[in-house]
Amino acid sequence: SQELEQSPQSLIVQEGKNLTINCTSSKTLYGLYWYKQKYGEGLIFLMMLQKGGEEKSHEKITAKLDEKKQQSSLHITASQPSHAGIYLCGADIGGTYKYIFGTGTRLKVLA
Amino acid sequence: KAGVTQTPRYLIKTRGQQVTLSCSPISGHRSVSWYQQTPGQGLQFLFEYFSETQRNKGNFPGRFSGRQFSNSRSEMNVSTLELGDSALYLCASSSGQGWSEQFFGPGTRLTVL
Repeated sequence: SQELEQSPQSLIVQEGKNLTINCTSSKTLYGLYWYKQKYGEGLIFLMMLQKGGEEKSHEKITAKLDEKKQQSSLHITASQPSHAGIYLCGADIGGTYKYIFGTGTRLKVLA
Repeated sequence: KAGVTQTPRYLIKTRGQQVTLSCSPISGHRSVSWYQQTPGQGLQFLFEYFSETQRNKGNFPGRFSGRQFSNSRSEMNVSTLELGDSALYLCASSSGQGWSEQFFGPGTRLTVL
């Protein structure tokens, strides 16, 4: 089974709507990254969370890491077509610089 | 500051051949990690190099190898290519000191025929 589970796998929303993507681990996360990827391209760094309860925002995107450090959520407010892409969470669950990634959430925003 | 660069961007090989991919990290970064991305398996960690030493390794066969040079540039080699090696290969660089952001290159798309 996947060590980092992302949900939903895909999402289609109308422009202007809010949405949330979740990333869940059965183990403690030593650090959690959120990335965005356009199909077939490299990953664009969005945010990094380390401390339980930490919350960070950038433009209309907010990410949180829960207190137990086993789940993170990414929230997009007032979505735009430019938000479309694949969102990936990545984490180190062993503290050994060995990163694993979730399977990704494919987001489509309808204008 | 220049980003992470990967060469070549696209590559077509036949089964049994070998291939070498190159990654130049962001200036000052000492850690380079390699990943394989496929539709079926997603993004999977291959290995990480820090100051010319392999610091960690994922679960890939020995046909996948890498190295890092004194200028932090890294190469990844795949020998005896198989059809299943067709993938997007991504490298990421970071300072490697504690927890730091990983910056990804655009990737090399390898097709094995």
